[in-house]
Amino acid sequence: NAGVTQTPKFQVLKTGQSMTLQCAQDMNHEYMSWYRQDPGMGLRLIHYSVGAGITDQGEVPNGYNVSRSTTEDFPLRLLSAAPSQTSVYFCASSYTGRTGGFDEQFFGPGTRLTVL
Amino acid sequence: KQEVTQIPAALSVPEGENLVLNCSFTDSAIYNLQWFRQDPGKGLTSLLLIQSSQREQTSGRLNASLDKSSGRSTLYIAASQPGDSATYLCALDQTGANNLFFGTGTRLTVIP
Repeated sequence: NAGVTQTPKFQVLKTGQSMTLQCAQDMNHEYMSWYRQDPGMGLRLIHYSVGAGITDQGEVPNGYNVSRSTTEDFPLRLLSAAPSQTSVYFCASSYTGRTGGFDEQFFGPGTRLTVL
Repeated sequence: KQEVTQIPAALSVPEGENLVLNCSFTDSAIYNLQWFRQDPGKGLTSLLLIQSSQREQTSGRLNASLDKSSGRSTLYIAASQPGDSATYLCALDQTGANNLFFGTGTRLTVIP
């Protein structure tokens, strides 16, 4: 198993540009999520999905879109990049998302994004 | 809103020492608590998951405890090694929420 993979590893954007961060998992996990990690603030949830075709907002969803057309893939789209979106982005997955709590979470290696 | 605190933010110990990392939280209505390890520039690796009904979990040299009544969890690392150097984060799965609540982590350095 490759686990959770993310591409690209690094990205530099100019303000106003759009891009898509890719996330894929090969563990047949139902639950997938996107977090951003900023210094001194811990990880914060952006969007999550409990299965193909189902997505919902997390704590900091503004400026981001997601879709889940397959179980394996969960891309994160930045609509119009802003310097405030400079961060490290992590994708995570687990076997189930709710009903008695999350299972063990598996994280991807992260995408380091800089917006100029 | 759940607040998760990890103190200290950084810790240096000599190799071989036993150590305890702390995680405190404000809302005890949780499903479980997870401890993660993060190496510089890398993703998070799950170390231990403690269900709310459990008091502790063990994996090798690691032992995690959970005391919901006091809002505390500890991660005990026995006989520390330089390879244990990393940032350790705790995360809570809170009842009624749709995400994990993360602490900001403790950066551990084990000195050879």
